[in-house]
Amino acid sequence: GDSVTQMEGPVTLSEEACLTINCTYTATGYPSLFWYVQYPGEGLQLLLKATKADDKGSNKGFEATYRKETTSFHLEKGSVQVSDSAVYFCALRGTGRRALTFGSGTRLQVQP
Amino acid sequence: GAVVSQHPSRVICKSGTSVKIECRSLDFQATTMFWYRQFPKQSLMLMATSNEGSKATYEQGVEKDKFLINHASLTLSTLTVTSAHPEDSSFYICSARGGTSGSSSYEQYFGPGTRLTVT
Repeated sequence: GDSVTQMEGPVTLSEEACLTINCTYTATGYPSLFWYVQYPGEGLQLLLKATKADDKGSNKGFEATYRKETTSFHLEKGSVQVSDSAVYFCALRGTGRRALTFGSGTRLQVQP
Repeated sequence: GAVVSQHPSRVICKSGTSVKIECRSLDFQATTMFWYRQFPKQSLMLMATSNEGSKATYEQGVEKDKFLINHASLTLSTLTVTSAHPEDSSFYICSARGGTSGSSSYEQYFGPGTRLTVT
């Protein structure tokens, strides 16, 4: 079945540091890929998505590129802020599926 | 933006009792709602998918008689944990899917979750 693997956290960075959170997936066909963010006390929010190979999703300075050859969708940001502190979930929606399959989440802590 | 609410946010109940969790889409119609369960430091595990007015589809290993799901309207779904036991303690998250008609990429919006503790 479909699965998503992402790096364990927590990831602790200083403000303005570069961020990479790795995500790889296993799925048949051509899934859509997503990154969700969960701020403390809030529900998951869609951060960005990509629906086909080589697509790049971007939002709020975050980027991720759909790499079919490496089955990856790594999340990157060039300069993190304290306000980026949250839990980040990589997810996929398999072909013909309505529900999302999630990774285990990675907690990011950005220190001033 | 689209908002999904859950109530209650936290609940503590005694073993053997039943607990109902409500999930509402506040400003859009949700044709499909999902219920997830999250264990500490683990991913969200899909429990069931429901469409308004029809029976929920449960994932393998999820007891449908224990986790009763009712999707009575396009804005409300409920999850009832019947005869709860300590092993049912978890974080339950609902999600509602809605979007413009004809769209092939309906967005999925998440509630803030409900922390259930069974003593």
